[in-house]
Amino acid sequence: SYVLTQPPSVSVAPGQTARITCGGDNIGSKSVHWYQQKPGQAPVLVVYDDSDRPSGIPERFSGSNSGNTATLTISRVEAGDEADYYCHVWDSSSDPYVFGTGTKVTVL
Amino acid sequence: VQLVQSGAEMRKPGASVNVSCKASGYTFTDYYMHWVRQAPGQGLEWMGIIYPDDGRIRYAQKWQGRVTMTRDPSTRTVYMELRSLMSEDTAVYYCAREPPAAATRFDSWGQGTLVTVSS
Repeated sequence: SYVLTQPPSVSVAPGQTARITCGGDNIGSKSVHWYQQKPGQAPVLVVYDDSDRPSGIPERFSGSNSGNTATLTISRVEAGDEADYYCHVWDSSSDPYVFGTGTKVTVL
Repeated sequence: VQLVQSGAEMRKPGASVNVSCKASGYTFTDYYMHWVRQAPGQGLEWMGIIYPDDGRIRYAQKWQGRVTMTRDPSTRTVYMELRSLMSEDTAVYYCAREPPAAATRFDSWGQGTLVTVSS
């Protein structure tokens, strides 16, 4: 089955830029989605199809995808961005909906 | 759009649990519905998909034989039954909606249902 690997944690100072990577074999050929999950809450879609944002998601959230790595970038990080972030793809394997391992973003 | 799930459940090992997810605010049969599990302190794990229009289902291999997903279009509700519960099944279970046309993303989620398995 397809595997997506994320760093366990990323720390960033307020106002700086956080970059969260999602590694997978030839992930650049797939559409990558990203979710934000705050403690005790359900996940929320923040980026889909590599770089599109749902309505209501700030422009500070952006995404890119190439080769074996997709990246979620959070610009001008705020305290409210502190959360777990998961990448997500569809793969033509036996279990087609695959989530990354998750990254905890800490705002210093 | 709202997905409202049933309340927390506590079961003993070996028992079954049925979690419901009631949809509102959109055409129920136009969107696929998934179930995703999250064990305490762990990541998200896909369990399966049900197509509300015709009831087709596809389960993740891990739960084949132990999970059943159904839907009732008349009440706009999908159900997930998990059988032969073990302590390792203690988790929050989410329903999540996927837009049509193979969008593959989950654009709306239920609030989650905590299932606790303990003797």
